Amino acid sequence: AQTVTQSQPEMSVQEAETVTLSCTYDTSESDYYLFWYKQPPSRQMILVIRQEAYKQQNATENRFSVNFQKAAKSFSLKISDSQLGDAAMYFCAYTETSGSRLTFGEGTQLTVNP
Amino acid sequence: DTAVSQTPKYLVTQMGNDKSIKCEQNLGHDTMYWYKQDSKKFLKIMFSYNNKELIINETVPNRFSPKSPDKAHLNLHINSLELGDSAVYFCASSQQVLGGGSQPQHFGDGTRLSIL
Repeated sequence: AQTVTQSQPEMSVQEAETVTLSCTYDTSESDYYLFWYKQPPSRQMILVIRQEAYKQQNATENRFSVNFQKAAKSFSLKISDSQLGDAAMYFCAYTETSGSRLTFGEGTQLTVNP
Repeated sequence: DTAVSQTPKYLVTQMGNDKSIKCEQNLGHDTMYWYKQDSKKFLKIMFSYNNKELIINETVPNRFSPKSPDKAHLNLHINSLELGDSAVYFCASSQQVLGGGSQPQHFGDGTRLSIL
């Protein structure tokens, strides 16, 4: 079974600084998708960024980028120029190409200090 | 214009009662899901339907019964509620892609269920 691990229960960053959230996963599949979702206190689940395993290029969405290391099964999220609104729980998630389910990590609570 | 909407947002009820949570999506997606987020914020799949057919049924007590009257709706009915059912329940939807793969899942705002 696929598993997703986020080893940092909590992280903090100063406003305008950069922070990296870690995620590792385990799978025997060669093709799959990885995601980062953000859950602010409002409880919404918001898609931050998506990576397809067959693409070597790291995904980027404005201030958010990933470092995807397929051989190491690592998928970290880098947030540049952190803003107060980035404070949230961040979840790493995995799905097979069939896309039938998301397997989530335990989450990392990010605090942004002014 | 809400893409995935769940009702109610909050549900407070007593142990032993039966309750339902409704979910509707207006994205034209063909697959819908129910996830449970426990008190430690851990999210886990419960059920998934594709075009009204059940495709995922995780190890969930049979007190939980999903119903999909059409591909835009997936409701969750829970019988004989127990204290351990207290959680946030999320509905989500996505579109399957021919040949494999899928678009990202879009989530509703969640329903916080509290059992007294």
